[in-house]
Amino acid sequence: GESVGLHLPTLSVQEGDNSIINCAYSNSASDYFIWYKQESGKGPQFIIDIRSNMDKRQGQRVTVLLNKTVKHLSLQIAATQPGDSAVYFCAETLPTGANSKLTFGKGITLSVRP
Amino acid sequence: ETGVTQSPTHLIKTRGQQVTLRCSSQSGHNTVSWYQQALGQGPQFIFQYYREEENGRGNFPPRFSGLQFPNYSSELNVNALELDDSALYLCASSTRGGAPFFGPGTRLTVL
Repeated sequence: GESVGLHLPTLSVQEGDNSIINCAYSNSASDYFIWYKQESGKGPQFIIDIRSNMDKRQGQRVTVLLNKTVKHLSLQIAATQPGDSAVYFCAETLPTGANSKLTFGKGITLSVRP
Repeated sequence: ETGVTQSPTHLIKTRGQQVTLRCSSQSGHNTVSWYQQALGQGPQFIFQYYREEENGRGNFPPRFSGLQFPNYSSELNVNALELDDSALYLCASSTRGGAPFFGPGTRLTVL
């Protein structure tokens, strides 16, 4: 989308290593952010979300960090596995009362080496 | 897997034709959004439905229209198909203000 971008088009990591996927957003009014994983031929799969009143949120093997000062979002995946290979998108929403209107970046491909 | 289903899985149409895509939302979700995803790109918001009314629209022409039914399922209609309409069409359902969960998509090819 126009206001969300990813720094790198591809990321290759060794199985077992930690992965960090970065995302920059340009709309300082955005208040809700979501990371999605998309495997080939499938729809985007929800990974984790974070609201603007938080700076960190943890899930199972994943952590999202939000830095509103520099409008930066990151997704950390611990102990990356082959099944983590996919395209990852960050998405943002504005506080319109209906958070389903997402603006996506172009995505980054995560490739896990065995 | 989410509880969002879409039909058909694949569809081939010719330029100028009309198409209807269908979506069943996840149980408990009352909001449905549609997205278009071109190859190698992120999904682009088309529009959203809440309580059977359009509630937000992206930068898509009027030939893209939709419906939401009382059971929260939804349809996307595209008239006068153009070659550039070839894409993966994604439906996402959510609770009001909640995270959208996506279906598997419908792959539309316009020849």
